[in-house]
Amino acid sequence: QKEVEQNSGPLSVPEGAIASLNCTYSDRGSQSFFWYRQYSGKSPELIMSIYSNGDKEDGRFTAQLNKASQYVSLLIRDSQPSDSATYLCAVNSDDYKLSFGAGTTVTVRA
Amino acid sequence: GAGVSQSPSNKVTEKGKDVELRCDPISGHTALYWYRQSLGQGLEFLIYFQGNSAPDKSGLPSDRFSAERTGGSVSTLTIQRTQQEDSAVYLCASSLTTIPNYGYTFGSGTRLTVV
Repeated sequence: QKEVEQNSGPLSVPEGAIASLNCTYSDRGSQSFFWYRQYSGKSPELIMSIYSNGDKEDGRFTAQLNKASQYVSLLIRDSQPSDSATYLCAVNSDDYKLSFGAGTTVTVRA
Repeated sequence: GAGVSQSPSNKVTEKGKDVELRCDPISGHTALYWYRQSLGQGLEFLIYFQGNSAPDKSGLPSDRFSAERTGGSVSTLTIQRTQQEDSAVYLCASSLTTIPNYGYTFGSGTRLTVV
């Protein structure tokens, strides 16, 4: 069983603050890592992917990967009310499936 | 098409009836996946299709569930003799390559309610 664990949340942050989401995974052979955003009642939308150790920045989003610690995180800088959603961590190991965490719900307070 | 298309968007059925859910993947995407998301739960893998290869059915929860993909494109997920625990959002996704280095693109889902 390839497990992906996320902070259970919910995470409430004030507008303009940094939201930090964490994810750990059990399969040391995992190669690709993704963050999806899911608004209530909608399907997941891919927002970030990362494959190498270190940081990857895209606009207000930064993904961080540490394969030695089996840890991947997502930072949302200058959080906006439109960032309020559930964020899903997904991990691809040596096959074709993505394993998903249960998600962390983020609420940005105006 | 421009995105992954699923139909119907909502389905209410009586316990014991059969249902069919349809997925039309993005044109050119060779890999197609079905996932299930129950209320407040994560995504549960159901089945995977890749080209003409035998599908990976390892996630199907019981023999009441089956799926097919015709002509390497449209897929149908069939649930026979539906039970209340089958109520969930069924999500279809497609990806460009066998190994999803680019992640999946999800359809809008079918919300199934068994009453």
